[in-house]
Amino acid sequence: DTAVSQTPKYLVTQMGNDKSIKCEQNLGHDTMYWYKQDSKKFLKIMFSYNNKELIINETVPNRFSPKSPDKAHLNLHINSLELGDSAVYFCASSPRDRGFYEQYFGPGTRLTVT
Amino acid sequence: AQSVTQLDSHVSVSEGTPVLLRCNYSSSYSPSLFWYVQHPNKGLQLLLKYTSAATLVKGINGFEAEFKKSETSFHLTKPSAHMSDAAEYFCVVSDLRLTGGGNKLTFGTGTQLKVEL
Repeated sequence: DTAVSQTPKYLVTQMGNDKSIKCEQNLGHDTMYWYKQDSKKFLKIMFSYNNKELIINETVPNRFSPKSPDKAHLNLHINSLELGDSAVYFCASSPRDRGFYEQYFGPGTRLTVT
Repeated sequence: AQSVTQLDSHVSVSEGTPVLLRCNYSSSYSPSLFWYVQHPNKGLQLLLKYTSAATLVKGINGFEAEFKKSETSFHLTKPSAHMSDAAEYFCVVSDLRLTGGGNKLTFGTGTQLKVEL
């Protein structure tokens, strides 16, 4: 069984479009995250939700809007896509939002904006 | 603020020889440290973690790392490299003191490990 899953795996779209990426975890974790990995493979946190509540928002443009319908799901909606949004987006989860817990990552969604 | 420096962006070894991937960290408080591996076009997999227990940490696939507070280092080692170890490796720090709002991981810039026959 896949622990953290993301859909779609690949997403190619044009500038100005709106798109969503979905994430689901079946680990029973309370906390979920979105990370962006740029072309140089640098990973940076974007958002974190704990039990559907936003707890980390790392100065991400407001074109990015995360939504957590329940604690097993964290979706990422992106409005007015720009070329610079091209990256791999990873979803992750951890048991709690505090403490020494590792995070479990999904397989990633490669977004290409043309 | 917490930060991680991976001293080598690329490391190349021969199969069967030891692996050393270097990592130094900066943290205001007692950190939790991790090594993650990313194989080509794959997600990130946890190799091992340090959480203030034993300073020598053993992970999966024969990897281990030693936490040295005096040197602020957490280098990753493996006695004998295998072709399947070729991947990108990330050293990661999580500062518990900063987690007033969330378990924030700070990633290093990664080390690409190449294993040659």
